[in-house]
Amino acid sequence: EPEVTQTPSHQVTQMGQEVILRCVPISNHLYFYWYRQILGQKVEFLVSFYNNEISEKSEIFDDQFSVERPDGSNFTLKIRSTKLEDSAMYFCARELAGSSYEQYFGPGTRLTVT
Amino acid sequence: AQSVSQHNHHVILSEAASLELGCNYSYGGTVNLFWYVQYPGQHLQLLLKYFSGDPLVKGIKGFEAEFIKSKFSFNLRKPSVQWSDTAEYFCAVNPGGYQKVTFGTGTKLQVIP
Repeated sequence: EPEVTQTPSHQVTQMGQEVILRCVPISNHLYFYWYRQILGQKVEFLVSFYNNEISEKSEIFDDQFSVERPDGSNFTLKIRSTKLEDSAMYFCARELAGSSYEQYFGPGTRLTVT
Repeated sequence: AQSVSQHNHHVILSEAASLELGCNYSYGGTVNLFWYVQYPGQHLQLLLKYFSGDPLVKGIKGFEAEFIKSKFSFNLRKPSVQWSDTAEYFCAVNPGGYQKVTFGTGTKLQVIP
């Protein structure tokens, strides 16, 4: 199974600080996704990214969030001013072209906002 | 907006017992259906998927799921569970033509040796 790696595995930050979460697909993919899972809750869709543009985003993905693929390889999620309620596991997922929306998830980054 | 319901939040079974986890979704059109598993301390892994064709799909580790269109259901089954099946199981739906996958709230399965 093709892999996705995410860095860091755990990030602790203070409220109001900016964080950048990184996703590195092993091979080239067209579609990328960010999801989050608040402890004890379900996995929630944040945003999908196709061809270097946002293709869909949820109501959770407000102005404090942004995504980009700065160097054509890494796929980043930036949270500009973190809040306590941003504490969650953040999963990157990628989708092979032509795989009918079958998504493969990375191991996640645990973000703790204090 | 589509939603996914998993009715069992926590299931406890003895080894060798049979398993059925319920999943219902609300979307009237064509859907792609998935079951993901999350073992303790690990990331989400795809267990099985349904896109079209035979409504009974088989996945890894002896799991299977049946898509019943009339009931908007995609229940997960396994005839005989093992201790290593202890994990959280998520049903997920992707309406055909849209990329977003909507997850259910998950079912924690605990298998007692």
